[in-house]
Amino acid sequence: DADVTQTPRNRITKTGKRIMLECSQTKGHDRMYWYRQDPGLGLRLIYYSFDVKDINKGEISDGYSVSRQAQAKFSLSLESAIPNQTALYFCATSPSTGTGTDTQYFGPGTRLTVL
Amino acid sequence: AQKITQTQPGMFVQEKEAVTLDCTYDTSDPSYGLFWYKQPSSGEMIFLIYQGSYDQQNATEGRYSLNFQKARKSANLVISASQLGDSAMYFCAMREGSGFQKLVFGTGTRLLVSP
Repeated sequence: DADVTQTPRNRITKTGKRIMLECSQTKGHDRMYWYRQDPGLGLRLIYYSFDVKDINKGEISDGYSVSRQAQAKFSLSLESAIPNQTALYFCATSPSTGTGTDTQYFGPGTRLTVL
Repeated sequence: AQKITQTQPGMFVQEKEAVTLDCTYDTSDPSYGLFWYKQPSSGEMIFLIYQGSYDQQNATEGRYSLNFQKARKSANLVISASQLGDSAMYFCAMREGSGFQKLVFGTGTRLLVSP
């Protein structure tokens, strides 16, 4: 089984709809992240969480919100989706500082299309 | 200013040959980490290799090695004995500092391996 899972894997929705993307991990990591990927722009950080009580905005948080329901679960919401939020969304996890290379491990991605 | 620069939008290599994917970075922090990720056409982000700024030796992982030239601020990925399955997008990323592990990604290089 994958260590980092994302649901749904693909979603098509309409402008103005509320969408939730979910991420679960079995790696036991404290830190979780949400990124979006647009063609030619690489990955950009939306939100990150160091633990259940710690949520922080990334570089492109406008239009998004998150919820850290448990150590293993981190959800991303689009309250009112708009077409320029069409992108590939990745969840990632990493261990806390001091436990190695701090490598981030990514889920398989959710391809979201907003019409 | 770009923190991570990947100047090669696309690279071609024949099977069994070696290929170098370029990455230059910009930071004034003495502590940082450099990562390479592979993204096949299926979309997932796969961690390949890590190099810490204080590491004395170049990182190696199987057929992957990182040519780390600190003075030039470059961290090129070398893939030896290319295989057809190496065809993918490759992203260089940097984590600055030893605390928060925000990753900054380059725009990627598409590698195509031909028979």
